[in-house]
Amino acid sequence: EDQVTQSPEALRLQEGESSSLNCSYTVSGLRGLFWYRQDPGKGPEFLFTLYSAGEEKEKERLKATLTKKESFLHITAPKPEDSATYLCAVQARGYSTLTFGKGTMLLVSP
Amino acid sequence: DAGVIQSPRHEVTEMGQEVTLRCKPISGHNSLFWYRQTMMRGLELLIYFNNNVPIDDSGMPEDRFSAKMPNASFSTLKIQPSEPRDSAVYFCASSFLSRGGLSTDSSYEQYFGPGTRLTVT
Repeated sequence: EDQVTQSPEALRLQEGESSSLNCSYTVSGLRGLFWYRQDPGKGPEFLFTLYSAGEEKEKERLKATLTKKESFLHITAPKPEDSATYLCAVQARGYSTLTFGKGTMLLVSP
Repeated sequence: DAGVIQSPRHEVTEMGQEVTLRCKPISGHNSLFWYRQTMMRGLELLIYFNNNVPIDDSGMPEDRFSAKMPNASFSTLKIQPSEPRDSAVYFCASSFLSRGGLSTDSSYEQYFGPGTRLTVT
């Protein structure tokens, strides 16, 4: 059974204080790893897809990286508007569905 | 595009009543997913359709839950009878599987609707 574990559950940062969120996974052959952002009262919003170990993708202050066992979402010089819950999900090779982690709730204070 | 549309946004009902949640996927997408989100269990897949056909309903909790997709632009999730433990946020998501629909070698992004917050008292 595929498993996704995200840590920490919650993270509080000061504006400008860089940090990383972790997503550890076990899957029988990774087809893709996905990062989503979810704001309160809204549905998850797609951010990145990573396909193979060593791959990196960037979007504004966010950079996602992937190894064979985990993915990191690096947040550089965060702003209050980066506050949200960040969800990680995996798609196993041979399957069309995603398995989600429970997310990391990020709060960036001004 | 308006994105995935869900209705109602909020539903409050009494135990034992029937609840119907509705979803309009993004035009051109051929896959539709129903999820349930709670604090305890996170985001769980209930069922997904490909080309309007249910492919995997193993996440449907019990017979009280049913889902239909009569055409490419509409799907419903029904709970009958509802129970307090069904209280959660229900999301619909859609996607486009680029290789033959049922191909399992595709990788794709799912686009989520705003969700329906269901409260059963």
